[in-house]
Amino acid sequence: NAGVTQTPKFRILKIGQSMTLQCTQDMNHNYMYWYRQDPGMGLKLIYYSVGAGITDKGEVPNGYNVSRSTTEDFPLRLELAAPSQTSVYFCASQQGLWPTIYFGEGSWLTVV
Amino acid sequence: AQSVTQLDSQVPVFEEAPVELRCNYSSSVSVYLFWYVQYPNQGLQLLLKYLSGSTLVKGINGFEAEFNKSQTSFHLRKPSVHISDTAEYFCAVSFLSYDYKLSFGAGTTVTVRA
Repeated sequence: NAGVTQTPKFRILKIGQSMTLQCTQDMNHNYMYWYRQDPGMGLKLIYYSVGAGITDKGEVPNGYNVSRSTTEDFPLRLELAAPSQTSVYFCASQQGLWPTIYFGEGSWLTVV
Repeated sequence: AQSVTQLDSQVPVFEEAPVELRCNYSSSVSVYLFWYVQYPNQGLQLLLKYLSGSTLVKGINGFEAEFNKSQTSFHLRKPSVHISDTAEYFCAVSFLSYDYKLSFGAGTTVTVRA
């Protein structure tokens, strides 16, 4: 059971570099999310998508971009990485408005 | 304003003792309520959820939670913890306005000692 798969699991970036966090789900869910987790802050929503071709900003979208060309994939792009983007990133998916959300295992990103 | 508050950031507890993790929310609309657990260096796993019906909800690993609408709370309990329950626990709320996005509390770190 693959569920929600994120890659890479760990990455170190230099300030100013760019990279893409990949997220794929095999459950045919139409809703997908990207969260970041910082110590003592819980999870904050970066971007979300309600279906292929549709994306919207969450609470903390600055410095990130997303695309949703297929139902399965929801990549998160960091342009001009900054130390403030050091965090753990979680991708998640959900079937319609059914409230159970499935999370990936996380991507640990450090910007130095 | 809609918000989720976990009242304890750290909860140390001895093995086989009971534990309660507190979660309060503020909302002008109906809600769905969730508790997630995150073991070290892992993703989030759903412990239990309240959507409707009985206010006492039982989840995995012996956890249960009670929805109290008048106090807008959803506290998580376990009568006897194990070392393996050491983890971070997140309360999450879905505010049933125009979408079902989850809002998370800041998390409670539970450390179980022998």
